[in-house]
Amino acid sequence: GAGVSQSPSNKVTEKGKDVELRCDPISGHTALYWYRQSLGQGLEFLIYFQGNSAPDKSGLPSDRFSAERTGGSVSTLTIQRTQQEDSAVYLCASSLGGVEEQYFGPGTRLTVT
Amino acid sequence: QKEVEQNSGPLSVPEGAIASLNCTYSDRVSQSFFWYRQYSGKSPELIMSIYSNGDKEDGRFTAQLNKASQYVSLLIRDSQPSDSATYLCAVFDYKLSFGAGTTVTVRA
Repeated sequence: GAGVSQSPSNKVTEKGKDVELRCDPISGHTALYWYRQSLGQGLEFLIYFQGNSAPDKSGLPSDRFSAERTGGSVSTLTIQRTQQEDSAVYLCASSLGGVEEQYFGPGTRLTVT
Repeated sequence: QKEVEQNSGPLSVPEGAIASLNCTYSDRVSQSFFWYRQYSGKSPELIMSIYSNGDKEDGRFTAQLNKASQYVSLLIRDSQPSDSATYLCAVFDYKLSFGAGTTVTVRA
């Protein structure tokens, strides 16, 4: 079946602009996660959605970052007033929920110039 | 102290040999453990999950878990050049916490 999809695959933006990154999880997966991987760095948790519950935003690095999930499916990660340190690959993952395996999308490579 | 620590790499092994990857974690209540493979420029790909103490085998991969020692490992038998990648250990406690990864190079 179809895996996790993300768009765009690449995004180049100027410092100070807002960007939106999209994630479409595997059908039937109730849990959705956003992670960030900076060059040469490990994977960093950003935010977690489980069903219709309030999201866990504990990993968001600043209030410039926000995310929403509409209808329990598609999610959008928004970064306002982008900074150069926001340059990274943003990865979305989904799972059936709970302790189940997470499957990653191909990621969005964000470059802030 | 980092939550998840992996043995430092890079790890270079000849084709056909066994590659051994180690991981320790700090959270005693963690119940789910995963190994992901990440090729350069690609996203992580799940290769193994393990939930109970002991060994779990899947093809050429064997994961080992010891919760008392807070230790999880991955063995790759009959290593192939296509196994050359970075291997990430991940521990689940409502989110995945990842180790820094171990880069494996299989020499033909």
